[in-house]
Amino acid sequence: EVQLVESGGGLVQPGRSLRLSCTASGFTFGDYAMTWFRQVPGKGLEWVGFIKSNSYGGTAEYAASAKGRFTISRDDSKSIAYLQMSSLRTDDTAVYYCSRDPRIAGRPPFDYWGQGTLVTVSS
Amino acid sequence: VLTQSPGTLSLSPGERATLSCRASQTVNANYLAWFQQKPGQAPRLLIYDSSTRATGIPDRFSGSGSGTDFTLTISRLEPEDFAVYYCQQFGGLSFTFGQGTRLEIK
Repeated sequence: EVQLVESGGGLVQPGRSLRLSCTASGFTFGDYAMTWFRQVPGKGLEWVGFIKSNSYGGTAEYAASAKGRFTISRDDSKSIAYLQMSSLRTDDTAVYYCSRDPRIAGRPPFDYWGQGTLVTVSS
Repeated sequence: VLTQSPGTLSLSPGERATLSCRASQTVNANYLAWFQQKPGQAPRLLIYDSSTRATGIPDRFSGSGSGTDFTLTISRLEPEDFAVYYCQQFGGLSFTFGQGTRLEIK
């Protein structure tokens, strides 16, 4: 059974850092790009960034709101994707989700999501 | 930019729902997906490549469209279909969501 489990959320002060983890199981993690999304409670979905599989270079791309402050990485040996967030702002407060994307034409993207982890940035 | 309409749709079970998603530019290779989200839950993939149903999605859900105009149709609403629906596109290096359509029980 495919599972994605986010962890690492919590209350953090503005300007501080936090690292989220997305632990995967039930599929070949290394075959998938991994993507982070977020959602302010009561608002819409926002793409944060993704990291390609190592077969496609393992590079990452970020939304403008995340560029320069957030870093996505992956450890295929542990089947974990990370979202390192620094210089956090109050408007980063959201539920953060991870999801998988095969990046292969005809295969469904984002067919599995984690349950989300809440990050609250507040003093 | 993806613009969804209407913002809220009030219908009764058994009725047909038509949700619209309009892109400001031609969608890349028809990469247009639809997600359903219920309160307290993660989004659920319904449709990808503009018209392909994801695994396990009932056939009352269908997607259509190309270029800049896309539609999600629910042929006959079931009580469990009342939720928020988002369209999503992939622009080559980034993903964008519409602002969502809330489908509520009339």
